[in-house]
Amino acid sequence: EDKVVQSPLSLVVHEGDTVTLNCSYEVTNFRSLLWYKQEKKAPTFLFMLTSSGIEKKSGRLSSILDKKELFSILNITATQTGDSAVYLCAVRVNTGKLIFGQGTTLQVKP
Amino acid sequence: SAVISQKPSRDICQRGTSLTIQCQVDSQVTMMFWYRQQPGQSLTLIATANQGSEATYESGFVIDKFPISRPNLTFSTLTVSNMSPEDSSIYLCSVDLQKNTEAFFGQGTRLTVV
Repeated sequence: EDKVVQSPLSLVVHEGDTVTLNCSYEVTNFRSLLWYKQEKKAPTFLFMLTSSGIEKKSGRLSSILDKKELFSILNITATQTGDSAVYLCAVRVNTGKLIFGQGTTLQVKP
Repeated sequence: SAVISQKPSRDICQRGTSLTIQCQVDSQVTMMFWYRQQPGQSLTLIATANQGSEATYESGFVIDKFPISRPNLTFSTLTVSNMSPEDSSIYLCSVDLQKNTEAFFGQGTRLTVV
């Protein structure tokens, strides 16, 4: 059965800290791995990763994929209170559907 | 990118009734999906809405409970039938513009069944 596992499930940090969120997966017919940020209802897109070892970066956020070890990490540096959200990792398989992990709830305290 | 309009944004419904959620996309898309997010849980795929044919349902979801329509390449509806409090969730539609692009989500529908 396809599955995506995120860790930790929740995290509390202070502003300025750096955090690393983990996502491991076991799926057949992997196509890509995506990271989303969810604050209210709709997830907002962060990154899509298809190739191993190539870091994607956007401001203070970065992510990388290891297709050999079947995991990805999402790094957030110099965290701000606005980073508080649920971070979702999803793997897209060949049918196009997304398989989501449980999410990591990040709380950044002032 | 794609702009997705999902309605209603939220609703409170009586048990035993049905609610239809609409998803309108501003461009033609091949793949449309419906997800459910129960309280405190992650997103789970309900079904893939196929244009011109019956939807493809995931394990644990059936057409009688979640009928889906896809009359054209820009529009789909999901009905939650004979609702019970366990159906209280956020329902999200999602589209893929092309293979290997990000998935775009509608704003979501927060359903509470009382």
